[in-house]
Amino acid sequence: AQSVTQPDIHITVSEGASLELRCNYSYGATPYLFWYVQSPGQGLQLLLKYFSGDTLVQGIKGFEAEFKRSQSSFNLRKPSVHWSDAAEYFCAMFSGGYNKLIFGAGTRLAVHP
Amino acid sequence: EAGVVQSPRYKIIEKKQPVAFWCNPISGHNTLYWYLQNLGQGPELLIRYENEEAVDDSQLPKDRFSAERLKGVDSTLKIQPAELGDSAVYLCASSFSGGRLVDEQFFGPGTRLTVL
Repeated sequence: AQSVTQPDIHITVSEGASLELRCNYSYGATPYLFWYVQSPGQGLQLLLKYFSGDTLVQGIKGFEAEFKRSQSSFNLRKPSVHWSDAAEYFCAMFSGGYNKLIFGAGTRLAVHP
Repeated sequence: EAGVVQSPRYKIIEKKQPVAFWCNPISGHNTLYWYLQNLGQGPELLIRYENEEAVDDSQLPKDRFSAERLKGVDSTLKIQPAELGDSAVYLCASSFSGGRLVDEQFFGPGTRLTVL
């Protein structure tokens, strides 16, 4: 079955600390992968995407993600978190079979000052 | 550039009442999506329009949900009658599909529905 799993429901980090949010996918071919961020009262905003090529993808707001085929993962990273990064983060995969985005359940990030 | 506009932002109704949500996509975007986001979950696609045609409505509960995009621009999603389990956030998104399926989707802020 095609699915996206975000193992961490809630993560808390201190401001200035590094961040890694995990995402695992299940798909029979090379997937198209995305990370979105959702701030309270806001719509989802695309942080970055991976279609092919370089497995390390740079996005907006200082985020990056690395596609690892051997681990079926697409983890999101940021070297130094800012208080404004507190939000919910969604990993998503485009399913060619269903012609739609499949989202993970999300990881809620809290940032301590 | 204006983003995807949704209204209302919040709606509280009693069960068995009808409710409607409106979405105006980004100008020039031919593809429009309605998603359902339950608490603690990621969005799930309800229906996708290419211009005025509903090309994927397989996840839309057609006994109580309906949607339209009459002129291929703005869209309305309706629930009649609403049930307690319909309490959720309803997201609208749009994209410009130039023949590809994987195009960046731009999301609106959503409508938070509470059914009492």
